[in-house]
Amino acid sequence: GQNIDQPTEMTATEGAIVQINCTYQTSGFNGLFWYQQHAGEAPTFLSYNVLDGLEEKGRFSSFLSRSKGYSYLLLKELQMKDSASYLCVVMDSNYQLIWGAGTKLIIKP
Amino acid sequence: GAVVSQHPSWVICKSGTSVKIECRSLDFQATTMFWYRQFPKQSLMLMATSNEGSKATYEQGVEKDKFLINHASLTLSTLTVTSAHPEDSSFYICSAREGLETDTQYFGPGTRLTVL
Repeated sequence: GQNIDQPTEMTATEGAIVQINCTYQTSGFNGLFWYQQHAGEAPTFLSYNVLDGLEEKGRFSSFLSRSKGYSYLLLKELQMKDSASYLCVVMDSNYQLIWGAGTKLIIKP
Repeated sequence: GAVVSQHPSWVICKSGTSVKIECRSLDFQATTMFWYRQFPKQSLMLMATSNEGSKATYEQGVEKDKFLINHASLTLSTLTVTSAHPEDSSFYICSAREGLETDTQYFGPGTRLTVL
């Protein structure tokens, strides 16, 4: 079956760095997305990785290792507005999106 | 980034009535649009995929006669919830993709439907 695992909840301090891990087992692979979703709102796109390595975009970076079926989202200089759920999403060989359950990130002052 | 709008943002209706939700891609042409629903504290569940000018492809367990999808143009898709019941109350979110299967999906802001 297809499966995406990410922690249910994480807590971090404002100004710090947090890494949200995601492991996946899917039928093929055509890329991995990270989305941010604030409570009561639709997801917003953060990053897309299809090749191994690190993609940096401002305070957010995303890493992919296809051989390990592993990705992480790194958030630096955390701000209170970063409190949200972070969704790891894999596109399988049929170009279908497989959604993780999301990691709820709580930022404390 | 690409902008997708949804209308209305929230709607309350009586049981048995039908509700139409619009999804528009504002600054790009969306070859494919997707409809999701999300229950509280759960991840998104894909309901259907629609390509402009053709019939929508529904996911298993989604009633096509209840959730009518029309993708009449490259910038507009509509979801009509027919004969709505309280169990249809949910957060409905559309997304749009420009062309290739690997293109990013951009999401609308969502529509919160409450059926009394």
